[in-house]
Amino acid sequence: QVQLQESGPGLVKPSETLSLTCSVSGGSISSYYWSWIRQPPGKGLEWIGYIHYTGSTNYNPSLKSRVSISVDTSKNQFSLKLNSVTAADTAVYYCASLGSAYPYYFDYWGQGTLVTVSS
Amino acid sequence: DIQMTQSPSSLSASVGDRVTITCRASQSISSYLNWYQQKPGKAPKLLIYAASTLQSGVPSRFSGSGSGTDFTLTISTLQPEDFATYYCQQTYSTPYTFGQGTKLEIK
Repeated sequence: QVQLQESGPGLVKPSETLSLTCSVSGGSISSYYWSWIRQPPGKGLEWIGYIHYTGSTNYNPSLKSRVSISVDTSKNQFSLKLNSVTAADTAVYYCASLGSAYPYYFDYWGQGTLVTVSS
Repeated sequence: DIQMTQSPSSLSASVGDRVTITCRASQSISSYLNWYQQKPGKAPKLLIYAASTLQSGVPSRFSGSGSGTDFTLTISTLQPEDFATYYCQQTYSTPYTFGQGTKLEIK
Protein backbone atom coordinates (compact mmCIF):
# COMPACT_ATOMS: atom_id res chain seq x y z
CA GLN A 1 0.00 0.00 0.00
CA VAL A 2 1.54 3.27 -1.13
CA GLN A 3 1.51 6.06 1.45
CA LEU A 4 2.29 9.72 0.90
CA GLN A 5 3.18 12.34 3.47
CA GLU A 6 3.53 16.07 2.85
CA SER A 7 5.93 18.18 4.90
CA GLY A 8 6.96 21.80 4.97
CA PRO A 9 6.24 25.18 6.57
CA GLY A 10 2.63 25.97 7.39
CA LEU A 11 3.18 29.72 7.14
CA VAL A 12 4.82 31.60 4.28
CA LYS A 13 5.19 35.35 3.90
CA PRO A 14 3.83 37.13 0.83
CA SER A 15 6.30 37.33 -2.09
CA GLU A 16 8.34 34.44 -0.67
CA THR A 17 8.62 30.85 -1.89
CA LEU A 18 6.40 28.01 -0.72
CA SER A 19 8.34 24.74 -0.46
CA LEU A 20 6.80 21.35 0.26
CA THR A 21 8.09 17.80 0.09
CA CYS A 22 6.13 14.59 -0.38
CA SER A 23 7.64 11.39 0.99
CA VAL A 24 6.52 8.15 -0.63
CA SER A 25 6.53 4.87 1.26
CA GLY A 26 5.27 1.39 0.48
CA GLY A 27 6.30 1.67 -3.13
CA SER A 28 8.97 3.03 -5.43
CA ILE A 29 8.76 6.54 -6.77
CA SER A 30 10.27 5.12 -9.96
CA SER A 31 6.93 3.70 -11.00
CA TYR A 32 4.41 6.43 -11.51
CA TYR A 33 3.71 10.03 -12.24
CA TRP A 34 3.39 12.16 -9.11
CA SER A 35 1.25 15.23 -8.67
CA TRP A 36 0.52 18.22 -6.49
CA ILE A 37 -3.06 19.41 -6.03
CA ARG A 38 -4.33 22.23 -3.87
CA GLN A 39 -7.62 23.28 -2.30
CA PRO A 40 -8.23 26.79 -0.93
CA PRO A 41 -10.29 26.77 2.28
CA GLY A 42 -13.92 26.00 1.49
CA LYS A 43 -13.27 25.74 -2.24
CA GLY A 44 -12.64 23.14 -4.92
CA LEU A 45 -9.59 21.25 -6.14
CA GLU A 46 -6.92 22.63 -8.47
CA TRP A 47 -4.28 20.51 -10.17
CA ILE A 48 -0.84 22.15 -9.92
CA GLY A 49 1.32 19.79 -11.96
CA TYR A 50 3.02 16.41 -12.17
CA ILE A 51 6.47 14.91 -12.44
CA HIS A 52 7.70 11.58 -13.75
CA TYR A 53 10.58 9.85 -11.98
CA THR A 54 12.70 10.61 -15.05
CA GLY A 55 12.22 14.28 -14.25
CA SER A 56 9.78 15.23 -17.00
CA THR A 57 7.15 17.69 -15.79
CA ASN A 58 3.82 19.19 -16.77
CA TYR A 59 2.40 22.24 -15.04
CA ASN A 60 -0.94 23.99 -14.93
CA PRO A 61 -0.56 27.05 -17.20
CA SER A 62 -2.28 29.16 -14.54
CA LEU A 63 0.74 28.59 -12.26
CA LYS A 64 3.47 27.67 -14.74
CA SER A 65 5.49 30.86 -14.36
CA ARG A 66 5.80 30.36 -10.59
CA VAL A 67 5.90 26.60 -10.02
CA SER A 68 8.61 23.97 -10.05
CA ILE A 69 8.31 20.27 -9.20
CA SER A 70 11.38 18.10 -8.70
CA VAL A 71 12.06 14.49 -7.77
CA ASP A 72 14.71 12.79 -5.64
CA THR A 73 14.59 9.09 -6.41
CA SER A 74 17.31 8.30 -3.84
CA LYS A 75 15.03 9.58 -1.08
CA ASN A 76 11.74 8.45 -2.65
CA GLN A 77 10.52 12.04 -2.48
CA PHE A 78 9.24 14.75 -4.77
CA SER A 79 8.94 18.43 -4.03
CA LEU A 80 6.97 21.55 -4.91
CA LYS A 81 8.21 25.11 -5.06
CA LEU A 82 5.84 27.99 -5.70
CA ASN A 83 7.41 31.42 -5.76
CA SER A 84 6.07 34.95 -5.33
CA VAL A 85 3.15 33.71 -3.23
CA THR A 86 0.15 35.83 -2.30
CA ALA A 87 -2.84 35.28 -0.03
CA ALA A 88 -4.55 33.58 -2.99
CA ASP A 89 -2.07 30.71 -2.62
CA THR A 90 -3.37 29.90 0.86
CA ALA A 91 -4.66 26.35 0.56
CA VAL A 92 -4.39 22.76 1.65
CA TYR A 93 -1.72 21.21 -0.56
CA TYR A 94 -1.98 17.52 -1.40
CA CYS A 95 0.50 15.22 -3.07
CA ALA A 96 -0.91 12.28 -4.98
CA SER A 97 0.09 9.45 -7.28
CA LEU A 98 -1.19 9.62 -10.84
CA GLY A 99 -0.51 6.14 -12.12
CA SER A 100 1.81 5.12 -14.93
CA ALA A 101 -0.40 5.07 -18.04
CA TYR A 102 -3.87 5.91 -19.33
CA PRO A 103 -6.40 6.05 -17.84
CA TYR A 104 -4.71 8.30 -15.34
CA TYR A 105 -6.29 8.89 -11.95
CA PHE A 106 -5.21 10.04 -8.49
CA ASP A 107 -5.34 6.81 -6.52
CA TYR A 108 -3.16 7.55 -3.50
CA TRP A 109 -3.19 10.87 -1.65
CA GLY A 110 -1.31 12.41 1.23
CA GLN A 111 -3.37 13.74 4.12
CA GLY A 112 -2.75 17.31 2.98
CA THR A 113 -0.96 20.22 4.60
CA LEU A 114 -2.39 23.69 5.11
CA VAL A 115 -0.15 26.48 3.93
CA THR A 116 -1.15 29.99 4.94
CA VAL A 117 0.33 33.00 3.18
CA SER A 118 0.45 35.88 5.61
CA SER A 119 2.89 38.40 6.98
CA ASP B 1 -8.75 24.17 -20.60
CA ILE B 2 -11.59 21.65 -20.37
CA GLN B 3 -14.31 22.93 -18.04
CA MET B 4 -16.10 20.39 -15.85
CA THR B 5 -19.55 21.32 -14.59
CA GLN B 6 -21.35 19.29 -11.95
CA SER B 7 -25.02 19.38 -11.09
CA PRO B 8 -26.46 19.86 -8.68
CA SER B 9 -24.00 21.83 -6.55
CA SER B 10 -25.75 20.56 -3.44
CA LEU B 11 -28.24 17.83 -2.75
CA SER B 12 -30.28 16.77 0.26
CA ALA B 13 -31.21 13.12 0.53
CA SER B 14 -32.13 10.47 3.06
CA VAL B 15 -30.49 7.20 4.01
CA GLY B 16 -31.72 4.55 1.59
CA ASP B 17 -32.31 6.98 -1.29
CA ARG B 18 -30.92 6.55 -4.79
CA VAL B 19 -28.85 9.56 -5.81
CA THR B 20 -27.43 10.66 -9.16
CA ILE B 21 -24.84 13.37 -9.73
CA THR B 22 -24.10 14.66 -13.21
CA CYS B 23 -20.84 15.92 -14.65
CA ARG B 24 -20.55 17.60 -18.04
CA ALA B 25 -17.32 18.35 -19.88
CA SER B 26 -16.92 21.37 -22.16
CA GLN B 27 -15.59 19.07 -24.90
CA SER B 28 -15.39 15.35 -25.46
CA ILE B 29 -13.09 13.57 -23.01
CA SER B 30 -13.84 10.03 -24.17
CA SER B 31 -14.00 8.00 -20.92
CA TYR B 32 -11.17 9.79 -19.10
CA LEU B 33 -13.37 10.77 -16.20
CA ASN B 34 -12.82 10.02 -12.52
CA TRP B 35 -14.98 10.48 -9.42
CA TYR B 36 -13.75 11.29 -5.92
CA GLN B 37 -15.41 11.51 -2.51
CA GLN B 38 -14.16 14.00 0.05
CA LYS B 39 -15.15 14.24 3.69
CA PRO B 40 -14.40 17.31 5.83
CA GLY B 41 -10.74 17.59 6.77
CA LYS B 42 -9.77 14.59 4.66
CA ALA B 43 -8.08 14.03 1.33
CA PRO B 44 -10.27 13.06 -1.61
CA LYS B 45 -10.76 9.34 -2.13
CA LEU B 46 -10.92 7.75 -5.59
CA LEU B 47 -14.25 6.03 -6.19
CA ILE B 48 -14.45 5.42 -9.92
CA TYR B 49 -11.96 5.80 -12.77
CA ALA B 50 -12.30 5.64 -16.52
CA ALA B 51 -15.95 6.67 -16.13
CA SER B 52 -17.25 3.32 -14.91
CA THR B 53 -14.52 1.23 -13.25
CA LEU B 54 -14.97 0.84 -9.52
CA GLN B 55 -11.77 1.39 -7.56
CA SER B 56 -10.74 -1.59 -5.43
CA GLY B 57 -12.42 -1.57 -2.03
CA VAL B 58 -15.21 0.84 -2.99
CA PRO B 59 -18.72 -0.48 -2.23
CA SER B 60 -20.73 -1.70 -5.19
CA ARG B 61 -23.56 0.76 -4.44
CA PHE B 62 -21.39 3.32 -6.26
CA SER B 63 -21.49 3.22 -10.05
CA GLY B 64 -20.48 5.48 -12.90
CA SER B 65 -21.51 5.80 -16.50
CA GLY B 66 -21.12 8.00 -19.54
CA SER B 67 -18.67 8.91 -22.26
CA GLY B 68 -17.92 11.91 -24.41
CA THR B 69 -19.23 14.92 -22.53
CA ASP B 70 -21.88 13.59 -20.15
CA PHE B 71 -21.26 11.43 -17.10
CA THR B 72 -23.13 10.32 -14.02
CA LEU B 73 -22.26 9.00 -10.58
CA THR B 74 -25.00 6.98 -8.95
CA ILE B 75 -25.27 5.82 -5.37
CA SER B 76 -27.91 3.11 -5.34
CA THR B 77 -28.80 3.05 -1.64
CA LEU B 78 -27.41 5.92 0.43
CA GLN B 79 -25.61 4.98 3.61
CA PRO B 80 -24.81 7.37 6.47
CA GLU B 81 -21.11 7.35 5.56
CA ASP B 82 -21.87 8.56 2.00
CA PHE B 83 -22.69 12.11 3.04
CA ALA B 84 -19.73 14.02 1.65
CA THR B 85 -18.67 16.18 -1.28
CA TYR B 86 -18.17 14.51 -4.66
CA TYR B 87 -15.90 15.72 -7.45
CA CYS B 88 -15.53 14.67 -11.04
CA GLN B 89 -12.17 15.14 -12.78
CA GLN B 90 -10.89 14.68 -16.32
CA THR B 91 -7.54 13.27 -17.36
CA TYR B 92 -8.13 13.54 -21.11
CA SER B 93 -5.74 16.45 -21.39
CA THR B 94 -3.71 18.76 -19.22
CA PRO B 95 -4.36 20.88 -17.31
CA TYR B 96 -6.34 18.24 -15.47
CA THR B 97 -9.50 19.86 -14.18
CA PHE B 98 -12.10 19.10 -11.52
CA GLY B 99 -15.77 19.89 -11.29
CA GLN B 100 -16.80 22.39 -8.64
CA GLY B 101 -18.13 19.66 -6.37
CA THR B 102 -21.51 18.36 -5.26
CA LYS B 103 -22.21 18.47 -1.55
CA LEU B 104 -24.48 15.63 -0.48
CA GLU B 105 -26.26 16.43 2.76
CA ILE B 106 -28.64 14.58 5.02
CA LYS B 107 -32.29 15.55 4.60
